[in-house]
Amino acid sequence: DTAVSQTPKYLVTQMGNDKSIKCEQNLGHDTMYWYKQDSKKFLKIMFSYNNKELIINETVPNRFSPKSPDKAHLNLHINSLELGDSAVYFCASSQVEGATDTQYFGPGTRLTVL
Amino acid sequence: AQSVTQLGSHVSVSEGALVLLRCNYSSSVPPYLFWYVQYPNQGLQLLLKYTSAATLVKGINGFEAEFKKSETSFHLTKPSAHMSDAAEYFCAVSDTGGFKTIFGAGTRLFVKA
Repeated sequence: DTAVSQTPKYLVTQMGNDKSIKCEQNLGHDTMYWYKQDSKKFLKIMFSYNNKELIINETVPNRFSPKSPDKAHLNLHINSLELGDSAVYFCASSQVEGATDTQYFGPGTRLTVL
Repeated sequence: AQSVTQLGSHVSVSEGALVLLRCNYSSSVPPYLFWYVQYPNQGLQLLLKYTSAATLVKGINGFEAEFKKSETSFHLTKPSAHMSDAAEYFCAVSDTGGFKTIFGAGTRLFVKA
């Protein structure tokens, strides 16, 4: 069973479109994250949720809106896509609140904006 | 503010040689330190973490790292490289009171036959 899964794995779309990426974890963790990895492999946190509550919003444009319907899911919706949004987006989860615990990463979603 | 610096964006070793990947951190409070590995087209997975219990930390796949407070370092080592170790390695830091993990820029390890 996959611990943290993301769909889709690849996403190719035009500028200006709206798209969503879904994330699910079956580890029973309380905290979930979204990271963006750029073309130089730099990994930066975007959002963190604990028990469906937003904990971190790391100065991400408000075109990005995370939604957590329950503890096991954290989806990412992106409006009005721009070229600079092209990246690999990783979902992750951890057992406890805070950043001291091991994070478990999904396989990533490669977003290409044309 | 916390930060982490990985020295060397690329490291190349021969199979069987020592692997040394360098990481220096900055933190105003006792840090938690992590090494993650990312294989091509995959997510990150934990190699090892330091949580103040012991300064020498052993991880998976024969890797280990030593926390040196005086040098603010947490270098990753492996005595003998395998071809399967070729990957991107990330050092990361977080603090007990925060919610953020800060990742370094990554070091790509190449292993030559």
